[in-house]
Amino acid sequence: QVQLQESGPGLVKPSETLSLTCTVSGGSISSYYWSWIRQPPGKGLEWIGYIYYSGSTNYNPSLKSRVTISVDTSKNQFSLKLSSVTAADTAVYYCAREVTIFGVVTYTYFDYWGQGTLVTVSS
Amino acid sequence: SSELTQDPAVSVALGQTVRITCQGDSLRSYYASWYQQKPGQAPVLVIYGKNNRPSGIPDRFSGSSSGNTASLTITGAQAEDEADYYCNSRDSSGNHRGVFGGGTKLTVL
Repeated sequence: QVQLQESGPGLVKPSETLSLTCTVSGGSISSYYWSWIRQPPGKGLEWIGYIYYSGSTNYNPSLKSRVTISVDTSKNQFSLKLSSVTAADTAVYYCAREVTIFGVVTYTYFDYWGQGTLVTVSS
Repeated sequence: SSELTQDPAVSVALGQTVRITCQGDSLRSYYASWYQQKPGQAPVLVIYGKNNRPSGIPDRFSGSSSGNTASLTITGAQAEDEADYYCNSRDSSGNHRGVFGGGTKLTVL
C-alpha cells in the first residue's frame, strides 16, 4: 500500500519561502507524476503543480513565478518550494500521486494522497 | 475562477438518486476524475476514467460524460455520502496543467 506523508514547518513568515517535503513509502517514486495540491481554509482544492519522476515539471500559471517542485528518487521524496508567501498562501497542503492514462481519451487521477499539512503564513 | 464549473450545493433525500455535474471545455478532450472530501480529511478518489471505481468505493457511485459535461451519479444516496465532491481534469490550454472544479456540497436529507 502506497503511503504519502507531508513534512515541513507549519508556520511561515510573510515574504519568506514555504518548503514542504512529501515522503513516499510502500512503492517507488518512479514511473508516476507527483503533485502538490492545496486547500485554503473553508475553500476548494487548487492544483499547484506536478513533477514526473524524471524531473519534468508543470505548474499552475497563477503560481508559476513562485513555485519550484523537485524530486529526489534516491530518497523517494519530492518537494515544494513557494516563495514570497502572503496570508493568501495559508492552506492545507496535500501531496498526491497522479496517474495519467494516454489513449483515445486521456485521463488523469490522484489515487493516493497524503493526510495534508496546514501551513499558516503569519508574522 | 475555475475552468471547471460545479454547482456549489446539491441536496438529495436519503435513498434517492443525485447527479453532480462538472462543466468545462477541457472535458471534451479528457475524462474527469471525482473526489469525495469529508470535513478534516483528505480527498478520496471515487471515480476515474470513463466510469471506473477504485477498490472499496461502493457501486452506487458512477460516472458519465457528454460533450463538455462530466457527471457523478449516486444511486441510492446514504447518509455517509454527505460530503464535498470535486471534479478534476486537465485544463483547456493544451499544456496538460491540472484543474479542479470549485466543489459541490452534497447534503443528504
